[in-house]
Amino acid sequence: DTAVSQTPKYLVTQMGNDKSIKCEQNLGHDTMYWYKQDSKKFLKIMFSYNNKELIINETVPNRFSPKSPDKAHLNLHINSLELGDSAVYFCASSQDGLVFEQYFGPGTRLTVT
Amino acid sequence: GDSVTQMEGPVTLSEEAFLTINCTYTATGYPSLFWYVQYPGEGLQLLLKATKADDKGSNKGFEATYRKETTSFHLEKGSVQVSDSAVYFCALRAGGTSYGKLTFGQGTILTVHP
Repeated sequence: DTAVSQTPKYLVTQMGNDKSIKCEQNLGHDTMYWYKQDSKKFLKIMFSYNNKELIINETVPNRFSPKSPDKAHLNLHINSLELGDSAVYFCASSQDGLVFEQYFGPGTRLTVT
Repeated sequence: GDSVTQMEGPVTLSEEAFLTINCTYTATGYPSLFWYVQYPGEGLQLLLKATKADDKGSNKGFEATYRKETTSFHLEKGSVQVSDSAVYFCALRAGGTSYGKLTFGQGTILTVHP
């Protein structure tokens, strides 16, 4: 009964490839997020969706494209992967953007070689 | 813009020692403040929160008080355990229109030895 799940847990790929990371939450939340955590553990928001609508779109290269087919899912597609994209990507959800607690998934470790 | 600054880590303590992790912030308006914890190999979990000045958040023996005058939200625990070893993140959510956006500090790695 995992609350926020992500697949895959690990992703190793070569520069220039296109990859996707999937996220699903079974909490009935309306808002979902993508965060990037770099090698120094610094965590930064990338995107936020509320009920399938894009709410937050931080300064992220347009090679990154989120897609929310329904409010329980938020996927992240990355085109033309670069070495600097190597990081841990976390999905999170909250009841709505005004409720404070965000529930995080276990993370996807992306390594670009 | 909004920012959160945490004390540099890593922090290494013996079991039952007193813990303080400093956190200061810069934000417009009246932010809400949080501490999240990340155990090895896991996602972040909310540890405690405070939504207005002088509020004290507490959970699992950890405490933090929202000090508006010093723009601080320091995390404390009187007696740490080995199981507290983790990365701790201070975060804020600015007031107003920052819909759901959390701004995190850089994280502090805590290691507790038996």
